[in-house]
Amino acid sequence: NAGVTQTPKFQVLKTGQSMTLQCAQDMNHEYMSWYRQDPGMGLRLIHYSVGAGITDQGEVPNGYNVSRSTTEDFPLRLLSAAPSQTSVYFCASSGQSLSYNEQFFGPGTRLTVL
Amino acid sequence: GDSVTQMEGPVTLSEEAFLTINCTYTATGYPSLFWYVQYPGEGLQLLLKATKADDKGSNKGFEATYRKETTSFHLEKGSVQVSDSAVYFCALSDRSGYSTLTFGKGTMLLVSP
Repeated sequence: NAGVTQTPKFQVLKTGQSMTLQCAQDMNHEYMSWYRQDPGMGLRLIHYSVGAGITDQGEVPNGYNVSRSTTEDFPLRLLSAAPSQTSVYFCASSGQSLSYNEQFFGPGTRLTVL
Repeated sequence: GDSVTQMEGPVTLSEEAFLTINCTYTATGYPSLFWYVQYPGEGLQLLLKATKADDKGSNKGFEATYRKETTSFHLEKGSVQVSDSAVYFCALSDRSGYSTLTFGKGTMLLVSP
C-alpha cells in the first residue's frame, strides 16, 4: 500500500491563479481531511469528507473548494490564490473500522503564493 | 469547542536527558488522545494514542497517560536521542462524531549530542 499520496510536493503561484492539490489513498478509508500547517498555529482543518459525495467545512474553509467523487481521491481547489494561503497542506484519511479514529497523513504540499 | 494546549518550544535537551512535553485539553465528551511527531521535511506520524481514562500509550520509549481528572496527556521519555529531534503535536478526536483532529500548536524538540 502507498498509503496517502499528495501531489505536487512544492508549488509556487501568483496571486489570483488557481490550482488543485491532489490527494489519494489506497486504504479504502471512508474519511478524508485537508489541514493546513502554519508556523505557531499547529494544524487547522480546512474541509473534510465522510464518504464519496459528502463533504463539509472545517475551521478555515474560506478560499478553498473540495469534492469527493470517489473513495480514493479528495482534491483541494484554490480558485483564486492569495498570499494568506501560503502554507503547508496535509491530506489525511481514516477508516470507520478503526476504533480510535487514527488518521494517516500524506507527506504534504508546500505552497507559496506570491 | 474542543481545544488542545501544549507547552511552547523549542525544548532544548542534551542526549540522554529526561523529556516532558505538557499537553492539556478541553472537550465536551470523552475524546481519544494522540501524540503525533513530525520529522524535518516530513508529514505527521502517529507516535502513540490513548482512548480512555487511565490508558497509557507507549511507543519507541515515549509514554503518555490519559488523565481525565486533570484533562492532561503529557508526553515523556526517559532518555532522549538526537534522532528524537522533531516537532511533537498533541491532538484529540471527538469520539462522538467524525474523526477530525483538533491539534495543539506543536512543540519543537532539539536534542544535542
